[in-house]
Order: sequence, then C-alpha cells, then structure tokens
Amino acid sequence: AQRVTQPEKLLSVFKGAPVELKCNYSYSGSPELFWYVQYSRQRLQLLLRHISRESIKGFTADLNKGETSFHLKKPFAQEEDSAMYYCALKVAYKYIFGTGTRLKVLA
Amino acid sequence: DAGVIQSPRHEVTEMGQEVTLRCKPISGHDYLFWYRQTMMRGLELLIYFNNNVPIDDSGMPEDRFSAKMPNASFSTLKIQPSEPRDSAVYFCASNFGPNEKLFFGSGTQLSVL
Repeated sequence: AQRVTQPEKLLSVFKGAPVELKCNYSYSGSPELFWYVQYSRQRLQLLLRHISRESIKGFTADLNKGETSFHLKKPFAQEEDSAMYYCALKVAYKYIFGTGTRLKVLA
Repeated sequence: DAGVIQSPRHEVTEMGQEVTLRCKPISGHDYLFWYRQTMMRGLELLIYFNNNVPIDDSGMPEDRFSAKMPNASFSTLKIQPSEPRDSAVYFCASNFGPNEKLFFGSGTQLSVL
C-alpha cells in the first residue's frame, strides 16, 4: 500500500540551527514526492518537488530511493520558517499526504 | 483569481444533523480533491474528481459521507448524519492535470457537538 510517514509531530529548533524534517514513503513504483507548507493563517501551498531539484527559501530535499526517504533540510533555520510541513506522494493523479510535522523556530 | 473558494469557513452543528460543505475550484482546473485534516491522521484524501466525474472515493470513511460535482465550478461534500468524530478541518484542492501543483482552499472547520 502507498503510505507516507512523518515520524515527528513537532520539531523545535533554535534560530540559526540546522533543520531536518523526516519523510519516508512506501510505494512500489517510481515515486513523485513533494513538500507542502502551511504558514499561520495561510493556505497550504507547495514548497518544493523532487523533480525540480530546486532550493526554495533555503530548503532542499533529496530523494533517496534506497532508504525510501525524502527528508527536508535547511542549514540555518529562520523564525519565519515556523509552520506545518507535509510530505506528499503522488500516485497517478492522487496525492497521499503524511501526518505532518509542526516546525517551531525559537528565537 | 481568488483561488479555491470554500464555504462556510466554520460550521458548528449538533450530532445527527446534515452538514454540507461547498467548494469552487479554480477556473480551468480539471481535478478536484477533498481532504480531511486531523491531528492524529494528518491530511486524508477522501475523494477526487476528474472533469466532474468521481475517480476514487476509497477514502470516504462511511456511507454517511457523499460528494458531488454537478459542474466544473462547484462541488459539495455532505455528511448525513454527522457525528462528533467527524469534527475536523475539511480542505478542497484543485489542479490542472498535467501541472502537479495543488491549490488548496482555506478549509472548513467543522465541529459536531
């Protein structure tokens, strides 16, 4: 069965510290993976997709097929990064989301 | 473009009542998704439509839940009868098939007392 696992419900880090939000997936096919973010009082929105191999707001994510992971990383956290982060797996036209990780960046 | 529009923003109802949530997707989008967000289970896909046709409703929890899309600009999610465990935030999202980016609405916060 297709599944996305985000093991941490809450992650607290200090400003300037590195951040890693974990995401593991279960899928027998070729995965398409995404990170979506929901800032306070804003809509859920796309942060980045693995196909693009881009860096958005300093965040990067690398697909590791051997470990079936797609962890989100940022070398230096900023207070404005505090938000809810969801990892998503696309299967055909269906998007399967994980349970989300709330990131709190402390001053 | 106002984006995906959901109504109402908040709904408080009593157990046993019928609840109808509404969604207007972005014009031109041919896929529409309904998700339920809870602390324990995160974002769960309930159902999705393509060109107004339901494609996968395997996430609909029970027969009490039903969804329709009578035209390209409107969809409803109905719960009848509602129960306290249905309390959650319900999101609607749309996209244009070849474009992978999902556009979400603001959500409906449902509280069933």
